[in-house]
Amino acid sequence: GENVEQHPSTLSVQEGDSAVIKCTYSDSASNYFPWYKQELGKGPQLIIDIRSNVGEKKDQRIAVTLNKTAKHFSLHITETQPEDSAVYFCAASILENRDDKIIFGKGTRLHILP
Amino acid sequence: DSGVTQTPKHLITATGQRVTLRCSPRSGDLSVYWYQQSLDQGLQFLIQYYNGEERAKGNILERFSAQQFPDLHSELNLSSLELGDSALYFCASSPPWGPHEQYFGPGTRLTVT
Repeated sequence: GENVEQHPSTLSVQEGDSAVIKCTYSDSASNYFPWYKQELGKGPQLIIDIRSNVGEKKDQRIAVTLNKTAKHFSLHITETQPEDSAVYFCAASILENRDDKIIFGKGTRLHILP
Repeated sequence: DSGVTQTPKHLITATGQRVTLRCSPRSGDLSVYWYQQSLDQGLQFLIQYYNGEERAKGNILERFSAQQFPDLHSELNLSSLELGDSALYFCASSPPWGPHEQYFGPGTRLTVT
């Protein structure tokens, strides 16, 4: 089955700097890669996703890149702000699968330092 | 606010007991997913229901069971509770046209003493 590895487990960056979180997946059939943000005391929230027919997607300060050959994808946050402090999860799944199972990475705790 | 509601918010119970967690999906969503989040284990998928039928199973223990009712709300039943079952339990729902866009509820924090 699919396995998603996420690195690093913890990341501290200075406010205003960029943060990068990387994930690798094992199943070459995976074609949908969402990213979730979980703030303290809340459930995860979908912040951006990418499908395998594109290599990059951007939404304001957040971008995701996908390298299908290497089976890895990354989340890039630019001009980080205090409200970016949270746990971020990457995930992978196969859109056509009727079971709709999404496999999550173990999460990255991002600290934005003042 | 995702539109997914979960009750109760907190639950404290003793080992050996049984509890029921409840989830109401967003209006219009047919799929409900249950996840367990322990301190160092990330999000573990437990089970998924689609329009009342079980669709997929993950690492769900035999002591745990779930169902989805005709009004689409779902319940997760945890029995013979052990200390290791202490965790956050999340419910998520997804729309029929975008089954992989999951919207998570605020979670139920279960503490087994």
